[in-house]
Amino acid sequence: GESVGLHLPTLSVQEGDNSIINCAYSNSASDYFIWYKQESGKGPQFIIDIRSNMDKRQGQRVTVLLNKTVKHLSLQIAATQPGDSAVYFCAESGYGGSQGNLIFGKGTKLSVKP
Amino acid sequence: KAGVTQTPRYLIKTRGQQVTLSCSPISGHRSVSWYQQTPGQGLQFLFEYFSETQRNKGNFPGRFSGRQFSNSRSEMNVSTLELGDSALYLCASSEWDFYEQYFGPGTRLTVT
Repeated sequence: GESVGLHLPTLSVQEGDNSIINCAYSNSASDYFIWYKQESGKGPQFIIDIRSNMDKRQGQRVTVLLNKTVKHLSLQIAATQPGDSAVYFCAESGYGGSQGNLIFGKGTKLSVKP
Repeated sequence: KAGVTQTPRYLIKTRGQQVTLSCSPISGHRSVSWYQQTPGQGLQFLFEYFSETQRNKGNFPGRFSGRQFSNSRSEMNVSTLELGDSALYLCASSEWDFYEQYFGPGTRLTVT
């Protein structure tokens, strides 16, 4: 498969545990944030997004938390499964998702032990 | 619906050559974005096209260019290839903008 990154921060969790992946974003003016999941050999897959007027948003088994004070974003995955093993990227946009650049973080590799 | 497709999947070129990569977005999607992914720099935004117009551009040299056709298919071109252009080039499409972008599998370009 494709190697998406070397020397990435790695989070190793036991199957069934909850996972928390963190991301520090760079631009205090960013107002739209997205989490992507990238499996080996595939392109990134949209997981969940959040706008800056929110501090929490929940999806299926995933929750994104946004702390604008410290420019911090986190992704929580409940009951982590082996299929969740992948590299996770956060991305920010300064224009609410419309136009402008999407800036991606370096990624975190999640490894789920059965 | 079929997903985003990219051709070719793998490509080997020599320094100084040029290359054209192709992307077919999801049917109905009018926005197509291109990204470069490398181990060192991660995912970096190249440019975005919407209705045949380049709407946004990242910080890449002019050797990197693109275009979009009336059917929303897009191509990107890299001229005068350098070793540092070796990367996975990803295309993503969405209906309007960055919301819920869907990525293709990428084209792995190796420059020797």
